[in-house]
Amino acid sequence: EIVMTQSPATLSVSPGERATLSCRASQSVSSNLAWYQQKSGQAPRLLIYGASTRATGIPARFSGSGSGTEFTLTISSLQSEDFAVYYCQQYNNWYTFGQGTKLEIK
Amino acid sequence: EVQLVESGGGLIQPGGSLRLSCAASGFTVSSNYMSWVRQAPGKGLEWVSVIYSGGSTYYADSVKGRFTISRGNSKNTLYLQMNSLRAEDTAVFYCAREQEGSGYFDYWGQGTLVTVSS
Repeated sequence: EIVMTQSPATLSVSPGERATLSCRASQSVSSNLAWYQQKSGQAPRLLIYGASTRATGIPARFSGSGSGTEFTLTISSLQSEDFAVYYCQQYNNWYTFGQGTKLEIK
Repeated sequence: EVQLVESGGGLIQPGGSLRLSCAASGFTVSSNYMSWVRQAPGKGLEWVSVIYSGGSTYYADSVKGRFTISRGNSKNTLYLQMNSLRAEDTAVFYCAREQEGSGYFDYWGQGTLVTVSS
């Protein structure tokens, strides 16, 4: 099983600032990596797939990068609605999720 | 518009059975890969099971032999039959679409809570 590790567990950032979230795979997943946003009491929402392609309707301030075992989700200028939990998911070998990063207001 | 609506969750005793449903609209369930993903209270996401468009089914080791995924083509609905339920199965269960076997989940339902407790 491919283990996905996200860091940090919690990230405190002020509105308008940049947030950088990391995701590491225990073995290469190529570019088969997706990012999701989950707000409290809601279902996850697809943000990024293929490591760097934004899903339909996702604002340009969200960007993904990386390949192999190291991936990054960057939110360029945080809006109030961006504070949530973010999960990475690999789909190179079945499906596994990271444990999540909680993005909170500083 | 694509929509997924789960139902069937509730409180069940350990060892009991429950069937979850996921009614889809705006697309055809049988033409897509469909998964169940669960989330224990306060925890992360765990993939549970997938049914391919061709009908093949696969399960996480944690539920293999106890859960069965299926679909009702005429009703455009996805199901999850859960038997021999354990306390550790307590979670919100989401159904999710994986378009054309892409590997990622582009649409999710709102989830249904399953609580296994005596």
